[in-house]
Amino acid sequence: GAVVSQHPSWVICKSGTSVKIECRSLDFQATTMFWYRQFPKQSLMLMATSNEGSKATYEQGVEKDKFLINHASLTLSTLTVTSAHPEDSSFYICSARDRQGSYGYTFGSGTRLTVV
Amino acid sequence: GENVEQHPSTLSVQEGDSAVIKCTYSDSASNYFPWYKQELGKRPQLIIDIRSNVGEKKDQRIAVTLNKTAKHFSLHITETQPEDSAVYFCAASISHFGNEKLTFGTGTRLTIIP
Repeated sequence: GAVVSQHPSWVICKSGTSVKIECRSLDFQATTMFWYRQFPKQSLMLMATSNEGSKATYEQGVEKDKFLINHASLTLSTLTVTSAHPEDSSFYICSARDRQGSYGYTFGSGTRLTVV
Repeated sequence: GENVEQHPSTLSVQEGDSAVIKCTYSDSASNYFPWYKQELGKRPQLIIDIRSNVGEKKDQRIAVTLNKTAKHFSLHITETQPEDSAVYFCAASISHFGNEKLTFGTGTRLTIIP
C-alpha cells in the first residue's frame, strides 16, 4: 500500500529558530500534499495545500511567510516553520494524494514540535 | 468553504453495545466521506469511507450511512470492544484533482467501558 514517510517524528527547538519537516511518498507520486496542524485534544486543521511544482495555497489565517512549503518533486514536500515561537508547538502532519486519488489520503506519521 | 460538525464530542459505551457518531457537512459538492480513528500521538487511520453515490457501507462491525439530501453521515460501531477506544474523526472532501481538500470534524472521544 501507499506509504508517506514523515521526519522528524519529534523535534525540540529554541524560540526564533527554524525547523524543517519532510514528507516523502515512498511508492506513489504525491501530486498533492496537504499539511495539517493539530493542537492537543483538537481536530486536524488544514494549513495549506500544495500541488507539485506550484505554489502552496494557504488557508485563511495561516501565515505563508512563517510556514514555508516546498513541493518541488512528486515524492517530497517540506514544511519549514520559520522563527518558531512557543505558540507554534503542535503536532504537524502531512497527507499525500496522487492525481487519481488511487490510495485516498495517505497520512504521514506526524511531527511533534516543541518550541522552548 | 466546507464546514463539518461532529457529535457527540465524547461518548462512553458499555462493552458489547453499539456506538453511533454523527456528522453534518455544508458543501453539497462534497462527495467523499471518510472516517478516521486516531490514537494519541499517531496518524489518523482510515477505518471506513463512503462516496456520495452510495447510501450505506458496511465492513464487519463498522458501518457508515450517508444522507445526501440532509447532508449528514453517521458511523455505527456494533459489538464494541475495549480496543475501539480512541478519538474518531469524520471528514468530507470533493474528490476531484485540483479541488480536493479534506475537512475534518471536531472529533469524538469514544471510551468503551469493560
